[in-house]
Amino acid sequence: KAGVTQTPRYLIKTRGQQVTLSCSPISGHRSVSWYQQTPGQGLQFLFEYFSETQRNKGNFPGRFSGRQFSNSRSEMNVSTLELGDSALYLCASSLTGVGNTEAFFGQGTRLTVV
Amino acid sequence: AQSVSQHNHHVILSEAASLELGCNYSYGGTVNLFWYVQYPGQHLQLLLKYFSGDPLVKGIKGFEAEFIKSKFSFNLRKPSVQWSDTAEYFCAVNAGGGYQKVTFGIGTKLQVIP
Repeated sequence: KAGVTQTPRYLIKTRGQQVTLSCSPISGHRSVSWYQQTPGQGLQFLFEYFSETQRNKGNFPGRFSGRQFSNSRSEMNVSTLELGDSALYLCASSLTGVGNTEAFFGQGTRLTVV
Repeated sequence: AQSVSQHNHHVILSEAASLELGCNYSYGGTVNLFWYVQYPGQHLQLLLKYFSGDPLVKGIKGFEAEFIKSKFSFNLRKPSVQWSDTAEYFCAVNAGGGYQKVTFGIGTKLQVIP
């Protein structure tokens, strides 16, 4: 079966701009979680969506937002980009939630803010 | 808030050496525990998980981990590493045993020298 697809794979943006990242989960998976991965911080949880509802949220500023569509595809938006937002953004798909079922990760979107 | 500590950030071993990567967490209740691995250029994938039952868990590629509740630990082991085990390893913990988010450790980069 097809894995988790994240688009685009790479992005270069300027400070102050906004960006939208997309994640298509594995068919049948209703939970989509987003993580920010940086060398010094590891994986930091952003938020989780389940059946179009945000179910969990991490400690990121309101500039980071997301949504999930009826087909379980999810988007993540970052507004007013800052240099510190440069990171690999990972999407994880799971049947019921990453806490009690296996998470399947995408390849990630590498965001560079200049 | 729950936290996960991985004590070794960078480990270098020769092939056939034994491996033990430490993972400690700070949560006194029910936990679900995971080890994920990220091979160079690939996405994160599940190595093994513990939800309940036998505290010694066996995963893919000869890896195993032992849950020691009294020590809040879930260390990853492999008796004899191979060059192909070169990767970054992440311990992850779900507090509560439900669908909620998992908290990841900062990761341990393992380099195996032929």
